Amino acid sequence: KAGVTQTPRYLIKTRGQQVTLSCSPISGHRSVSWYQQTPGQGLQFLFEYFSETQRNKGNFPGRFSGRQFSNSRSEMNVSTLELGDSALYLCASSLAGGRASDTQYFGPGTRLTVL
Amino acid sequence: AQSVTQPDIHITVSEGASLELRCNYSYGATPYLFWYVQSPGQGLQLLLKYFSGDTLVQGIKGFEAEFKRSQSSFNLRKPSVHWSDAAEYFCAVGGNAGNMLTFGGGTRLMVKP
Repeated sequence: KAGVTQTPRYLIKTRGQQVTLSCSPISGHRSVSWYQQTPGQGLQFLFEYFSETQRNKGNFPGRFSGRQFSNSRSEMNVSTLELGDSALYLCASSLAGGRASDTQYFGPGTRLTVL
Repeated sequence: AQSVTQPDIHITVSEGASLELRCNYSYGATPYLFWYVQSPGQGLQLLLKYFSGDTLVQGIKGFEAEFKRSQSSFNLRKPSVHWSDAAEYFCAVGGNAGNMLTFGGGTRLMVKP
């Protein structure tokens, strides 16, 4: 069974631009979560989607948004990019989500660099 | 609020030596605890998890962890480290809001030949 895939793997943008990252979960998984990883702040939860609905949201500004499609694929969008948005963005999928006992499987991440 | 502390930022051990990585958590109820490993340029791979029951949990790659409620700890151990174990290790706690995980700062493991 294929794992979680994320595209693109690397991205370079300039301040003020916007960016869209994509995540395809493991087949059969309906929950997708997004995390930001930076050297200064570590791994931080962005949001979780289940059945095309955002179920949880972390403490990030409104510039960070996401959505989920009927096939469970998810995208996250960052508008008006800032230098501090440079990070590794990780996507994780789980069968149903909503429960801490659901194991999350992580993708390889998208490395975003903002210049 | 839930939180996780990994006191050791870097650890260096010799190949073949035993390993213990520390993790302390703060959580109001029974926590769901996880250990993940991240190799350079890679995502996170789950090593093991604890939800309830036996406090000694076995994972992949020969790792185990012990849940100690009295010490709010969930330390990761391996009896004999291999060079391929060099990576960054993250402890995480879940349970506060759906399947949101709160991660510790990570411990980078280096293995000396």
